[in-house]
Amino acid sequence: GEDVEQSLFLSVREGDSSVINCTYTDSSSTYLYWYKQEPGAGLQLLTYIFSNMDMKQDQRLTVLLNKKDKHLSLRIADTQTGDSAIYFCAEFVYNQGGKLIFGQGTELSVKP
Amino acid sequence: DAGVTQSPTHLIKTRGQQVTLRCSPKSGHDTVSWYQQALGQGPQFIFQYYEEEERQRGNFPDRFSGHQFPNYSSELNVNALLLGDSALYLCASSFPTANYGYTFGSGTRLTVV
Repeated sequence: GEDVEQSLFLSVREGDSSVINCTYTDSSSTYLYWYKQEPGAGLQLLTYIFSNMDMKQDQRLTVLLNKKDKHLSLRIADTQTGDSAIYFCAEFVYNQGGKLIFGQGTELSVKP
Repeated sequence: DAGVTQSPTHLIKTRGQQVTLRCSPKSGHDTVSWYQQALGQGPQFIFQYYEEEERQRGNFPDRFSGHQFPNYSSELNVNALLLGDSALYLCASSFPTANYGYTFGSGTRLTVV
């Protein structure tokens, strides 16, 4: 089946690290993505990781992939109030054309 | 370089009416996908268009239909609107293999009353 799950809420203090977790079910997924959505806006691609990688770092963002457990995480270092948003994990599923399967989103609240 | 452009940004329709939403893909992209995002939910895949044909479809009724034009822009049509069709409709463009992700527009907020 195709399913992506995330915890719904995360609250951190400014300057701390945030870790957002995600589990997915489709073992054939080739790419996994993290998107950010601010209120009233569309989706902004933050980063992605190919399924044969364990880790990817991009400035303050670190993505960890445990393919055996189908677990993906996004770590945001030195979290700022501007990072407050909803973060979506998505897996790319290819079947006569590709589609993204999204989780429900994790609402990150950063307190000063 | 313009990203994905969607129009209109907001609209209000009455139950039973029909609506058409429009999308222009990012320059260089030739594949357009549509997603429905209900309030508090993640986006759900509606369908994808490539070379002016529907290539893949999600679990949506036939009331949802689409079209892709030779310039790669796309339309989403919804007939016989229901209250439950109220949502943010997102258009995403990509290369056919989507290796580098999808670029999303800001969406059209549809309210059905």
